[in-house]
Amino acid sequence: DAGVIQSPRHEVTEMGQEVTLRCKPISGHNSLFWYRQTMMRGLELLIYFNNNVPIDDSGMPEDRFSAKMPNASFSTLKIQPSEPRDSAVYFCASMGRGEAFFGQGTRLTVV
Amino acid sequence: SQQGEEDPQALSIQEGENATMNCSYKTSINNLQWYRQNSGRGLVHLILIRSNEREKHSGRLRVTLDTSKKSSSLLITASRAADTASYFCATEMLGGNNRLAFGKGNQVVVIP
Repeated sequence: DAGVIQSPRHEVTEMGQEVTLRCKPISGHNSLFWYRQTMMRGLELLIYFNNNVPIDDSGMPEDRFSAKMPNASFSTLKIQPSEPRDSAVYFCASMGRGEAFFGQGTRLTVV
Repeated sequence: SQQGEEDPQALSIQEGENATMNCSYKTSINNLQWYRQNSGRGLVHLILIRSNEREKHSGRLRVTLDTSKKSSSLLITASRAADTASYFCATEMLGGNNRLAFGKGNQVVVIP
């Protein structure tokens, strides 16, 4: 298995633009997490899904953020409109056997 | 808010020395896990200890868990330069539906 795959690896966008981050979890994993990492706030859980159903989205900072998981092999995190303070590394992780497996992350820069 | 909080925040040691990191948490847990993150990469799972376990070993790693104090420690013995990374603890809360909450991480630098 190739592990958790995220795309793009890097994204630079202008303030106000829509940003879509993508994640392909490991096949057979039932839980998927979206995290955001910054120096100031560390690793923050934004939202997680069990069996494609959002369980807890209390970490989503604002209505500008939305996440979907239309099937077991794909999830998106969308920011619309993006703001400079959204600049961070966004990680997707899927869980199997109680362990979380992380993707390489998407480094988002909003200018 | 994050469940786990590591202490100390940054640690610099000589190769061959042991490194110890601590983590505290606030609520009852199913398990506690430690992860490592190399610069610019995703987190990698190191070890998981269940709430009914007190100590666990994996290679040069030793993890302890004290549920009465709601704390855990990670010991890396005979450190190597390749151990330089950030180390995070994460807790899966009891009844938390697989929810994993991470602490802010420990930066460990091993000097060759």
